Amino acid sequence: DIQMTQSPSSLSASVGDRVTITCRASQTVSTYLNWYQQKPGKAPKLLIYAASSLQSGVPSRFSGSRSGTDFTLTISSLQPEDFATYYCQHSYSAPLTFGGGTKVEVK
Amino acid sequence: EVQLLESGGGLVQSGESLRLSCAASGFSFSSYAMSWVRQAPGKGLEWVSSITGSADKRFYADSVEGRFTISRDSSTLYLQLKGLRAEDTAVYYCAKESNAGPMYNWFESWGQGTLVTVSS
Repeated sequence: DIQMTQSPSSLSASVGDRVTITCRASQTVSTYLNWYQQKPGKAPKLLIYAASSLQSGVPSRFSGSRSGTDFTLTISSLQPEDFATYYCQHSYSAPLTFGGGTKVEVK
Repeated sequence: EVQLLESGGGLVQSGESLRLSCAASGFSFSSYAMSWVRQAPGKGLEWVSSITGSADKRFYADSVEGRFTISRDSSTLYLQLKGLRAEDTAVYYCAKESNAGPMYNWFESWGQGTLVTVSS
């Protein structure tokens, strides 16, 4: 099974900060890596698919990149509505797995 | 507009069964694979099961293999849960995948979730 290791598990940031979240796969997942945002009591929302493609309607301050088995989600300028938990997820093979999540909190 | 509405959750005793449903609308249901993803209280997301658009392939997490069964009809996704355990307590979400096939997809739409509580 492919393991997804996400870091950090939490971070504190201020509005306007640049935020970077990393996800490392235990083996290749090619570009089959997706990112989701979840707010308390709500369903997850797709942000980035296929490592770097922005889902329709998602602000351009969100971006994704890949370097081998390392993936990065970047928020270029954190906005108040971005305080949430973020998850990566691979879709390369079953079982599909999620990273452990990164909670972005107010500094 | 894509709509996914889960139902069927509730409080059950350990060892009992439950069937979850996810009513889908706003898209060509048979053209997309569908999945169930769960989230235990205060925990992260866990993929549970997926089924292709044509229902010819089904996949399960090791933690539920042999106890849960995914199925679909013309507009509804199902998850039959048997032999429930305390560790199955979670909010169960249904999710629409990006294509009909089994892999290389993303979860592009999600339902609001239904809570399953298993009492021991």
